[in-house]
Amino acid sequence: EPEVTQTPSHQVTQMGQEVILRCVPISNHLYFYWYRQILGQKVEFLVSFYNNEISEKSEIFDDQFSVERPDGSNFTLKIRSTKLEDSAMYFCASTQGLQYGYTFGSGTRLTVV
Amino acid sequence: DAKTTQPPSMDCAEGRAANLPCNHSTISGNEYVYWYRQIHSQGPQYIIHGLKNNETNEMASLIITEDRKSSTLILPHATLRDTAVYYCIAGDTGRRALTFGSGTRLQVQP
Repeated sequence: EPEVTQTPSHQVTQMGQEVILRCVPISNHLYFYWYRQILGQKVEFLVSFYNNEISEKSEIFDDQFSVERPDGSNFTLKIRSTKLEDSAMYFCASTQGLQYGYTFGSGTRLTVV
Repeated sequence: DAKTTQPPSMDCAEGRAANLPCNHSTISGNEYVYWYRQIHSQGPQYIIHGLKNNETNEMASLIITEDRKSSTLILPHATLRDTAVYYCIAGDTGRRALTFGSGTRLQVQP
């Protein structure tokens, strides 16, 4: 069964450093998403991406965040200057169409120290 | 998205059917009901979705009331591997984001 692949599975970074989280969505999917989940809290929407542009973003997705689909297969989330409160599981998801369910990756655990 | 209400937790005996309820009394006509689950800290897993009619797939059945104000997810023969948090989400296919609530923590007991 096709999977959404996320790397790395765990990243530890110093506060103020830039991090890039990587995702390979399912190849025929057209819509891409990033969500995050702080430990013990709800899964929160960050951003959606379609046709090479952001289609929706949440209040969490401020100027410190950016997304890119650099080569037609990877989908990345960059956090420019990490804060302690950015520590969370980050999940990538994709879907072939809005009438279908999303496929989520297994996540990247980001720890900011 | 319409607000959904789910019980915070439920228990089910292994091998029995697990029936997980969800209220979505403010759902609008073009909003689907989606069910996802999250096992421990893994990524959410899509289970099933529907608009008006009952739906069944290899994982579960979804029963939607005629007035669409509530639904029930049925896992016909629950196993220990079905222990997870189950999320009921009402969403418009024209909207990109899913809004996850607190869900129902289902504990399948041996």
